[in-house]
Amino acid sequence: GNSVTQMEGPVTLSEEAFLTINCTYTATGYPSLFWYVQYPGEGLQLLLKATKADDKGSNKGFEATYRKETTSFHLEKGSVQVSDSAVYFCALRGRDDKIIFGKGTRLHILP
Amino acid sequence: GAGVSQTPSNKVTEKGKYVELRCDPISGHTALYWYRQSLGQGPEFLIYFQGTGAADDSGLPNDRFFAVRPEGSVSTLKIQRTERGDSAVYLCASSLMLAGPWDTQYFGPGTRLTVL
Repeated sequence: GNSVTQMEGPVTLSEEAFLTINCTYTATGYPSLFWYVQYPGEGLQLLLKATKADDKGSNKGFEATYRKETTSFHLEKGSVQVSDSAVYFCALRGRDDKIIFGKGTRLHILP
Repeated sequence: GAGVSQTPSNKVTEKGKYVELRCDPISGHTALYWYRQSLGQGPEFLIYFQGTGAADDSGLPNDRFFAVRPEGSVSTLKIQRTERGDSAVYLCASSLMLAGPWDTQYFGPGTRLTVL
């Protein structure tokens, strides 16, 4: 079945550091890929998405590129801020329309 | 406009009791989803509705769990004979329609259920 694997956290970085959170997936067909973010005390929010191979999703300085050849969708940001501290979930949506989430990666940004 | 709302935000109950969790989707959204998020895990799909009907309930863990959406708007997730293992955050999401990979699900804040 479909599955998502993302790097375990917590990830701790200093402000303005470069961020990468790895995500790989297993799916039949051509799923859509997502990154969701959960800020402290808030609900899950869609951060970015990509619906086909080589698409790049971007939002709030974050980017992720749909790599079919490596079945990956790594999240990157060039310069993180304290306000980016949150839990990040990689997810896919397959032909059955269900969203399959990874376990989440907690990110701490130190000032 | 208003987002997805869920009530209560917290529910503490005793083992064996019955609970109901409510979800109010975004107005006009025809698709509604329930997920369960256990501590340290990502959300897991339970069931989704297209209108009033359950389009897929394959994620419900057993027959103690049931969900309804009688008028195609508000949905209630019902758990009978609760067990300690049911303790989790229950998330609801809605989307405009089941429109394929370009459709976006909007999540509510969740209900934290604790079974003592």
